Amino acid sequence: GENVEQHPSTLSVQEGDSAVIKCTYSDSASNYFPWYKQELGKGPQLIIDIRSNVGEKKDQRIAVTLNKTAKHFSLHITETQPEDSAVYFCAASSSGNAGNMLTFGGGTRLMVKP
Amino acid sequence: DAGITQSPRHKVTETGTPVTLRCHQTENHRYMYWYRQDPGHGLRLIHYSYGVKDTDKGEVSDGYSVSRSKTEDFLLTLESATSSQTSVYFCATKSGTVNEKLFFGSGTQLSVL
Repeated sequence: GENVEQHPSTLSVQEGDSAVIKCTYSDSASNYFPWYKQELGKGPQLIIDIRSNVGEKKDQRIAVTLNKTAKHFSLHITETQPEDSAVYFCAASSSGNAGNMLTFGGGTRLMVKP
Repeated sequence: DAGITQSPRHKVTETGTPVTLRCHQTENHRYMYWYRQDPGHGLRLIHYSYGVKDTDKGEVSDGYSVSRSKTEDFLLTLESATSSQTSVYFCATKSGTVNEKLFFGSGTQLSVL
């Protein structure tokens, strides 16, 4: 099955700096890569996703890049703000898997210091 | 949030007792999932359902069972709770289109003493 590794597990940045979280996956059939943000006491929420036919996608201060050859994808947050502090999860899935299951990485706790 | 309610929100139980967690959705989504969240392990899939009475195992299904008798309800049962099942449990749903967005409930904190 799919295995997703996520690094770093914790990340501390100053407000206004950029943050980068990296993930690798093992299944070459994976073609969908979402990122979820989990605030304290809440369930994860989708913030951005990318499909395998695209190399990069941006949404305001958030961007995701995908390198299918190397089987890794990254989340980039620019001009970080205190409200970006949360746990971030990457995930991967393939359209061929029964149940449309996502496999998640271990999570990154991002702390933005004012 | 997409109309997903998990109950209870918190539960403390003793080793060996049965426990049932409930997930209720109002979105008429086809797919429903139970995940557990543990430090360092992210979210791991326990069981999932792709329709009424259609369920299958996930990555960490041992010690858990599920049932889905109605589209809106997905129950997770721990037949005989163990301390290793202390975790935060999340229910999630998806409408059914391939690679669509997952919607998560707010979670149930379960402690097995």
